[in-house]
Amino acid sequence: QVQLQESGPGLVRPSETLSLTCTVSGGSISSYYWSWLRQPAGKGLEWIGRIYINENTNYNPSLKSRVTMSVDTSKNQFSLKLNSVTAADTAMYYCAREGGEAVAGRALDYWGLGTLVTVSS
Amino acid sequence: DIQMTQSPSSLSASVGDRVTITCRASQTISTYLNWYLQKPGKAPELLIYAASSLQSGVPSRFSGSGSGTDFTLTISSLQPEDFATFYCQQSYTTPRTFGQGTKVEIK
Repeated sequence: QVQLQESGPGLVRPSETLSLTCTVSGGSISSYYWSWLRQPAGKGLEWIGRIYINENTNYNPSLKSRVTMSVDTSKNQFSLKLNSVTAADTAMYYCAREGGEAVAGRALDYWGLGTLVTVSS
Repeated sequence: DIQMTQSPSSLSASVGDRVTITCRASQTISTYLNWYLQKPGKAPELLIYAASSLQSGVPSRFSGSGSGTDFTLTISSLQPEDFATFYCQQSYTTPRTFGQGTKVEIK
């Protein structure tokens, strides 16, 4: 059973960089796209972007200038960096696997539990 | 970006009711439409992928239909554990986008 676990600071100062890591267990990080999403309290889901093991990335244009994703296949981990954060970046952050087209129609079939990141001084 | 619009935004229903939620895309997305359920304080869970395929382990009371721009999620007999928020999402192109959510509450 594939499991994902987000980790990183729960509090980030305004103008600094938010850094999160997602550790994948129970399966290989190879052969899938790996995604980051976020959800402000009481609001809907926002897709931040995704990364493949060859470092191919797709970012949401609304965040593209501030986002960097990377992958470490030796540790079965992928990471998110969001720079120049403001209070508007306060949210629950989720990592998720985008399933293959044949298996899951490119849907997000496995999710982490989420980690709350608050931007505040 | 492709805009996804769900209706209704919320509904009240009773256990045993048949419930239908609709999702409309701002442009054609073939059948690249997925449905998720999110319970309070939990991560979303995949229910339906590719418009009508039931994810493994999901009860058969959930079903999906549609193609192009108009899609439907149906719960044939609402159960207590189904009171939650449902989201549609398109996986036709990036950026992936979600509907605003439909909150199903107990009548």
